[in-house]
Amino acid sequence: LAKTTQPISMDSYEGQEVNITCSHNNIATNDYITWYQQFPSQGPRFIIQGYKTKVTNEVASLFIPADRKSSTLSLPRVSLSDTAVYYCLVGAPGGADGLTFGKGTHLIIQP
Amino acid sequence: DGGITQSPKYLFRKEGQNVTLSCEQNLNHDAMYWYRQDPGQGLRLIYYSQIVNDFQKGDIAEGYSVSREKKESFPLTVTSAQKNPTAFYLCASKTSGLHNEQFFGPGTRLTVL
Repeated sequence: LAKTTQPISMDSYEGQEVNITCSHNNIATNDYITWYQQFPSQGPRFIIQGYKTKVTNEVASLFIPADRKSSTLSLPRVSLSDTAVYYCLVGAPGGADGLTFGKGTHLIIQP
Repeated sequence: DGGITQSPKYLFRKEGQNVTLSCEQNLNHDAMYWYRQDPGQGLRLIYYSQIVNDFQKGDIAEGYSVSREKKESFPLTVTSAQKNPTAFYLCASKTSGLHNEQFFGPGTRLTVL
């Protein structure tokens, strides 16, 4: 499984756009990039998944450069409720193996 | 409502006792998973099951056991052999197909006294 590196923590303010970058230098050809969000004492929640270029859904965008060695999760106009831990995962889709979660990025949004 | 349920939310046990954590899903998912999370850490995989009557060890299976007699249920037993069982336990399930989305339950916080 490709190892990921992301910042331990980030701070921002309500209404700002937040970008969290994840490095995955040894990503394999078949690997997808997936992001999860976790609030304290809750299970993680899927946010977005992508393979290349840009993916957008109702909560976030995922930017993946051509070499796919990194990716950036973009959260538009954050609010206090976006304070959470965000995990970047890399792996081949469709398999039933368990996911590998690192320590994630603790995003703190201030008023 | 479809989803994953875990019970109880909080569980206290004395050292040396076995304890079983419940996980039920009505999403018709084939694969189910158990993770452990310690404070400030990511999730670590304990066991997973791709199909009924079959399961595989994850990264930290020692001191744990599971069964998968029904598609909907994947109970986890924390045995007395687990050296440090106090943790937050999360169950998840996943559908087949080209997607890495796992659906997680609310978790069970186990405290061994």
